Amino acid sequence: NAGVMQNPRHLVRRRGQEARLRCSPMKGHSHVYWYRQLPEEGLKFMVYLQKENIIDESGMPKERFSAEFPKEGPSILRIQQVVRGDSAAYFCASSLLSGGRSPLHFGNGTRLTVT
Amino acid sequence: AQKITQTQPGMFVQEKEAVTLDCTYDTSDQSYGLFWYKQPSSGEMIFLIYQGSYDEQNATEGRYSLNFQKARKSANLVISASQLGDSAMYFCAMREASSGGGADGLTFGKGTHLIIQP
Repeated sequence: NAGVMQNPRHLVRRRGQEARLRCSPMKGHSHVYWYRQLPEEGLKFMVYLQKENIIDESGMPKERFSAEFPKEGPSILRIQQVVRGDSAAYFCASSLLSGGRSPLHFGNGTRLTVT
Repeated sequence: AQKITQTQPGMFVQEKEAVTLDCTYDTSDQSYGLFWYKQPSSGEMIFLIYQGSYDEQNATEGRYSLNFQKARKSANLVISASQLGDSAMYFCAMREASSGGGADGLTFGKGTHLIIQP
């Protein structure tokens, strides 16, 4: 009964490179959310996806960031041309239902370091 | 305005004492949910407890209970008989029923760093 799986756990990239973060939701969950956590802060919403659809990307930076949740395979958060300010922990969460009582179940996060 | 306010950046508590972590929220929705998550130093986010806005009784899960005061818009987490393993960051979060994908996710407070001392 696997939980939300994120990989890699740690990712180091040089400035200007691309970062790809993967997330497999819990079995049966079709709602996926990406959050970013800066040191000493809470999680900030980035994007909400369902299979093949971006529902809300209001928390995503307008440039360099993109997300997808294809019909087959994990959800991917992609950061192009990374900068030092992108260094953070990125958490993926999934939910059985939207709204209401259904909690979000989080993965262990990917810690991105940009050197 | 902050949607979720956690006023205690850090707390030190003696082992076996009860702990109350404060959380106040701001919403105009009638239907919403309140969640508490624990984040130990290893970094994962662990779901602890949920309270729905229409729930008449305070939620309880083992040593965790939620002191829900709707009129005051507060949802404090109470940990009874604290243990050393309770040392962690604790985040209060809200999920509103109003439309909009971002609103369908969670809004988090800045967290309280709880340290249990032997």
